[in-house]
Amino acid sequence: AQSVTQPDIHITVSEGASLELRCNYSYGATPYLFWYVQSPGQGLQLLLKYFSGDTLVQGIKGFEAEFKRSQSSFNLRKPSVHWSDAAEYFCAVGARQGAQKLVFGQGTRLTINP
Amino acid sequence: NAGVTQTPKFQVLKTGQSMTLQCAQDMNHEYMSWYRQDPGMGLRLIHYSVGAGITDQGEVPNGYNVSRSTTEDFPLRLLSAAPSQTSVYFCASRRLAARGNEQFFGPGTRLTVL
Repeated sequence: AQSVTQPDIHITVSEGASLELRCNYSYGATPYLFWYVQSPGQGLQLLLKYFSGDTLVQGIKGFEAEFKRSQSSFNLRKPSVHWSDAAEYFCAVGARQGAQKLVFGQGTRLTINP
Repeated sequence: NAGVTQTPKFQVLKTGQSMTLQCAQDMNHEYMSWYRQDPGMGLRLIHYSVGAGITDQGEVPNGYNVSRSTTEDFPLRLLSAAPSQTSVYFCASRRLAARGNEQFFGPGTRLTVL
């Protein structure tokens, strides 16, 4: 069965500092990979996605993620965080066959110190 | 386009009551799904549908019913609410034909069962 692990429940960084959120997945083949962001009281918004090809994927709001097949990881990065990046971040994987259901990680809550 | 809409935004029920959470999308998406979000557990799939008249169970279907009579609507029914169903519920939709398309999420319904 598919599973997604986000090891960090809560991360605090200072504004302007770099950020890396970790995501590891367990799946029999390479799935589709997604990062979503959820601001307080809001729904989820897609940051970026990986289907195939270049393993470094650019997303919105200055985020990027790198797919590493050997490590079954899809970590999210941003060179310099802004106070508006404070939110909860979810990694998700989707099967490449069938209904392509999504399986989500537990989420990482990001706090930004001024 | 309104995207994915959910009603109500908030609901308080007593144990044993029934209710229906409404979800509608105006993007002509074939795939629709319901998730529940609980602290530390990410989003878990309750039920999903790949088209009108076709539904299937997700990871946590017990206590919930769905139907899909039209492409636009995908209501979630709680037949006899229990405190364990206190959660935030999200509806999502996407195009089915194109592989790996992102899911679009509604704003959520916060449900409390007393």
